Amino acid sequence: DIQMTQSPSSLSVSVGDRVTIPCRASQSISTNLNWYQQKPGKAPDLLIYDASSLQSGVPSRFSGSGSGTDFTLTISSLQPEDFATYYCQQSYSTPQTFGQGTKLEIK
Amino acid sequence: QVQLQESGPGLVKSSETLSLSCTVSGGSLSNFYWSWIRQPPGKGLEWIAYIYSTGLINYNPSLKSRVTISVDTPKNQFSLRLKSVTAADTAVYYCARNKGGYGLAAFDIWGQGTMVTVSS
Repeated sequence: DIQMTQSPSSLSVSVGDRVTIPCRASQSISTNLNWYQQKPGKAPDLLIYDASSLQSGVPSRFSGSGSGTDFTLTISSLQPEDFATYYCQQSYSTPQTFGQGTKLEIK
Repeated sequence: QVQLQESGPGLVKSSETLSLSCTVSGGSLSNFYWSWIRQPPGKGLEWIAYIYSTGLINYNPSLKSRVTISVDTPKNQFSLRLKSVTAADTAVYYCARNKGGYGLAAFDIWGQGTMVTVSS
């Protein structure tokens, strides 16, 4: 299985900050990398697919980059509603695997 | 728009079989892959299996010996059975759609999730 690593597991940030969340794959996955936002008690929402494509309806302050093994989710100016946990997921090979998540906390 | 809704018992006894269904509304099952994903309390996400509308299946090897996924196209439903459950199977179970008609894909539509607790 491909291991997805998200470190740190939490980030203390402030409204208005530019936030970057890293994700690393244990082997090359091309650009088959997806990002989700999950709020407490809710299902994950797809933000970015194929490393850099913005899912329909997602605000443009979210962007994704990377290829191979290293990927980044960027929030250009953090809004109050963005405090949540963010997961990366590889869709390069089965079983599709997720990172352990990065939780954005209020500084 | 397409919506998913999980249904099934919230409590299952240890060693018995967990059975869940996912009803698709606002669209058809046809021409898409559909997945089950779970999340233990306070933990991360684990993909369990996917099924295509014609019945093509792929299981996570870590659960393959205990899992069965099936589809009922006329009812617009797909289902999950997990046998011989233990406390480690306690989780929120989500059904989801694989984006773009591909098995290996992002999950673009999710159900709200259903909590299943395995009791001893």
